[in-house]
Amino acid sequence: SQQGEEDPQALSIQEGENATMNCSYKTSINNLQWYRQNSGRGLVHLILIRSNEREKHSGRLRVTLDTSKKSSSLLITASRAADTASYFCATFRSGGYNKLIFGAGTRLAVHP
Amino acid sequence: GAVVSQHPSRVICKSGTSVKIECRSLDFQATTMFWYRQFPKQSLMLMATSNEGSKATYEQGVEKDKFLINHASLTLSTLTVTSAHPEDSSFYICSATFTDQETQYFGPGTRLLVL
Repeated sequence: SQQGEEDPQALSIQEGENATMNCSYKTSINNLQWYRQNSGRGLVHLILIRSNEREKHSGRLRVTLDTSKKSSSLLITASRAADTASYFCATFRSGGYNKLIFGAGTRLAVHP
Repeated sequence: GAVVSQHPSRVICKSGTSVKIECRSLDFQATTMFWYRQFPKQSLMLMATSNEGSKATYEQGVEKDKFLINHASLTLSTLTVTSAHPEDSSFYICSATFTDQETQYFGPGTRLLVL
């Protein structure tokens, strides 16, 4: 079964504002990844954070990971209309699993 | 680098027919390819994992006789939806990995509509 829940399911903000999306998962993981998907398109890999890391940055993206709470957050600062997309977290477990399990996703709309 | 393509990007077929979707790694050899299914406004659901030269491993609840997967080479995997029905209409996405399976490169997806 798929694991991972994200909230909010949908988020609507104005350009320039920050957007925060949260992800929770159920099992132990090796890493957690965030992806973006524009409507009707494939996935774009944004960032990977390993289980021994607590925070990671990439440009306007900031990801945190709390393995004790089994949760992660993605912060997009100074959002732009082009950030409008669905965002998914995905957890990876090795040791015989070796597959990504995706969360439900957050649909972000950034209005000009 | 690490580009994955899918063909076709969109297909419409009649109920009862079979449809083949190709997934190719264009600039690397993919040891493993994954097939996902995505319904509108929903997440990606892993259908199966395929390794070159061996049988695919299907996720629980996915009919292997319905969704035939062939991974004949290190750059090509195919998904055949047999005897398609309207409920099979969905967005099918493949991904490929070559170094370690935690890094997957995704194709652009194939939208299937069964009438």
